[in-house]
Amino acid sequence: RKEVEQDPGPFNVPEGATVAFNCTYSNSASQSFFWYRQDCRKEPKLLMSVYSSGNEDGRFTAQLNRASQYISLLIRDSKLSDSATYLCVGLYNNNDMRFGAGTRLTVKP
Amino acid sequence: DTAVSQTPKYLVTQMGNDKSIKCEQNLGHDTMYWYKQDSKKFLKIMFSYNNKELIINETVPNRFSPKSPDKAHLNLHINSLELGDSAVYFCASSPLGVGDQPQHFGDGTRLSIL
Repeated sequence: RKEVEQDPGPFNVPEGATVAFNCTYSNSASQSFFWYRQDCRKEPKLLMSVYSSGNEDGRFTAQLNRASQYISLLIRDSKLSDSATYLCVGLYNNNDMRFGAGTRLTVKP
Repeated sequence: DTAVSQTPKYLVTQMGNDKSIKCEQNLGHDTMYWYKQDSKKFLKIMFSYNNKELIINETVPNRFSPKSPDKAHLNLHINSLELGDSAVYFCASSPLGVGDQPQHFGDGTRLSIL
C-alpha cells in the first residue's frame, strides 16, 4: 500500500467551477503535508503547505485532518491555467518526502 | 538565477552504457535528493544526502551511485543502463530543519534508453 494515496482523476471541469481533491496517508508519523503542482513535462512546484487549522491562498484552500489521516485541496473559480497534476505530499523525519501519484485536472473553456 | 539546476536536460543513450547526471543548487540548502518519475508519473525518492552524507537510500539497484562532492552538488552515476531506467530524474534540495521544509526541484533530466 502506498504511503500517500490520491484519486488519479482525471478531473475535467469548466472554467469557474469549484473542484476538490482528496488524499489519504497511512503513516501517522508524518510531520507536514504539502500540495505540489506539476505541469506537463515540468518539475513539481510547491503550491502550498497544509495545516490542521486549514489555510487559504487566494482561490486555493488546503485542509489537514490528522484524526482521519486525510488532506484536501479546494480550488474555487477554476482558471484554464489551473490545468495540471496536483501532488499530495507527506514529509517524514525532516527530509523524507513521500508523493502521491497525483490527480490530473483539466479546466475547459 | 537558477535555484536547482541539473544537466543534461535530455539524455538518449544505448542499453549497457554508463552515464552521469549532475545537479547543483545555489540556495544554500543542506539536503539534496534524487527522484525518479516513471512513465506512470509516480515520483519516487531514490537518495537523499545531508551535507555530503547519505541519509536516505531507497531500494535502488546498485548500478545507481550518487556522489556528493560538497553540499551544493549531488551527482548521479548510472552503470550498465537498462531499458527500465528510462524515466525523468529530478534533483531537489531543501534546508534542514524541523517541520515545514518543502523541497525545490530542478527541471528534470529525461533519460531514454534505446
